[in-house]
Amino acid sequence: GQQLNQSPQSMFIQEGEDVSMNCTSSSIFNTWLWYKQDPGEGPVLLIALYKAGELTSNGRLTAQFGITRKDSFLNISASIPSDVGIYFCAGQLSGTYKYIFGTGTRLKVLA
Amino acid sequence: SAVISQKPSRDICQRGTSLTIQCQVDSQVTMMFWYRQQPGQSLTLIATANQGSEATYESGFVIDKFPISRPNLTFSTLTVSNMSPEDSSIYLCSSEGTGGNEQFFGPGTRLTVL
Repeated sequence: GQQLNQSPQSMFIQEGEDVSMNCTSSSIFNTWLWYKQDPGEGPVLLIALYKAGELTSNGRLTAQFGITRKDSFLNISASIPSDVGIYFCAGQLSGTYKYIFGTGTRLKVLA
Repeated sequence: SAVISQKPSRDICQRGTSLTIQCQVDSQVTMMFWYRQQPGQSLTLIATANQGSEATYESGFVIDKFPISRPNLTFSTLTVSNMSPEDSSIYLCSSEGTGGNEQFFGPGTRLTVL
């Protein structure tokens, strides 16, 4: 199936550091969603973005909908050990109800 | 938001058998979705299930292999038929939220086929 390019694929960071990850595509999206998935669990919605240029925060998380509507990024500030997990972006193709998921960013936080 | 439960949470099955996965949403929703997540991979949409109509399958997935039911606005089932080890995956159910554009996921069903 079709997937979005998400980077980095994985990262190890020290507790307290900021983290940034992004998703890019050649397609235009009308909604971006960011999820976190813990082992053995389903993805949990973190942030939803609906308009080009939109910047939205949820606690230490900030995400932006790219101006071109083809990309999005997620920042995590002052990371803590419980931020460990896999983060997925998902883009809703313009004119459809379906979401395409990114390849995922596996985050590990070193205490 | 929507709260979604799935049963079973995991199962180990023999080759050639079938397994039906149940998905229950705590509110009435128009659209429900079934995804597959192979080990270490991202999510791939299998099909969209709307109440009162046949499910719409994505490329690479067929009704004979993954029959879906959607008897009402809060419930759906996915059957994995004639299983082989290649079907070992996590199967995830999701639904739209009450606001429309968001998707919320169940906890998943971890299937191992021997």
